[in-house]
Amino acid sequence: GAGVSQSPRYKVTKRGQDVALRCDPISGHVSLYWYRQALGQGPEFLTYFNYEAQQDKSGLPNDRFSAERPEGSISTLTIQRTEQRDSAMYRCASSLGTGFTGELFFGEGSRLTVL
Amino acid sequence: AQSVTQPDIHITVSEGASLELRCNYSYGATPYLFWYVQSPGQGLQLLLKYFSGDTLVQGIKGFEAEFKRSQSSFNLRKPSVHWSDAAEYFCAVRGSQGNLIFGKGTKLSVKP
Repeated sequence: GAGVSQSPRYKVTKRGQDVALRCDPISGHVSLYWYRQALGQGPEFLTYFNYEAQQDKSGLPNDRFSAERPEGSISTLTIQRTEQRDSAMYRCASSLGTGFTGELFFGEGSRLTVL
Repeated sequence: AQSVTQPDIHITVSEGASLELRCNYSYGATPYLFWYVQSPGQGLQLLLKYFSGDTLVQGIKGFEAEFKRSQSSFNLRKPSVHWSDAAEYFCAVRGSQGNLIFGKGTKLSVKP
C-alpha cells in the first residue's frame, strides 16, 4: 500500500474484553514495529518483527499483550482482558530493511479507550 | 540505559521567529538520532536523521539539527517558524535492538 495502514482507527471497549489491532505495513517492508503512546508521552516500544519472526518483545507490558505476523506482512496486536490502563494510542511502523539506518514509517495509529 | 530527554514540554514562539528544540540522549556507542513531527490526528513524520559524517544535518520543511557528541545533544532548529509548524516534536535514538527510543516530546505553539 501507499502507507502504513492501521485499523480500527478508534476502538472503545469495556474492561475485560479482548481487542485486536491490525497493522498493514508498506508493501515489501521487512521490519514491523508496535508502539504505545499515552497522552502527553512519547511513543513507547512494545515489540518488533523482521519478516514473520518476532525479534524483541521486551516492551510488551505483561502477558495479556501479544503480537503476531504470521506471513511476514500484516500484523495483529492482541490485548486480552483489557484494563483501563491499556487506554492509549497504538502505533505501528514499518521499515524497508533490518538495518539500523532505515527510516521507520508510521501509521496514523489506533486509539483504544477502555471503559 | 539508552534514553532520550526533551527538557521542554511546551514552547510558544511567534511566527517568523527562530526555533530551537532541545534533545539530549544517553547511548554508549555512536548514536543514530532522529527527529519526528506529529501533527494532530496524524502519524509521525520523519524530519531528519543523523548517522555519521557532517554533524549538521538538513531535513524537510526547513529544519536542521546539530549533533554535538561532547554535549550528548541533537537540537532541532529552524530560522523562521511558520504557523503550520505547530505540532509535537519527538527526538529519538536507535536502541541496541533496532527499535527507536523516543523522548516525551515538545509541543510547539506558534503565535500570529
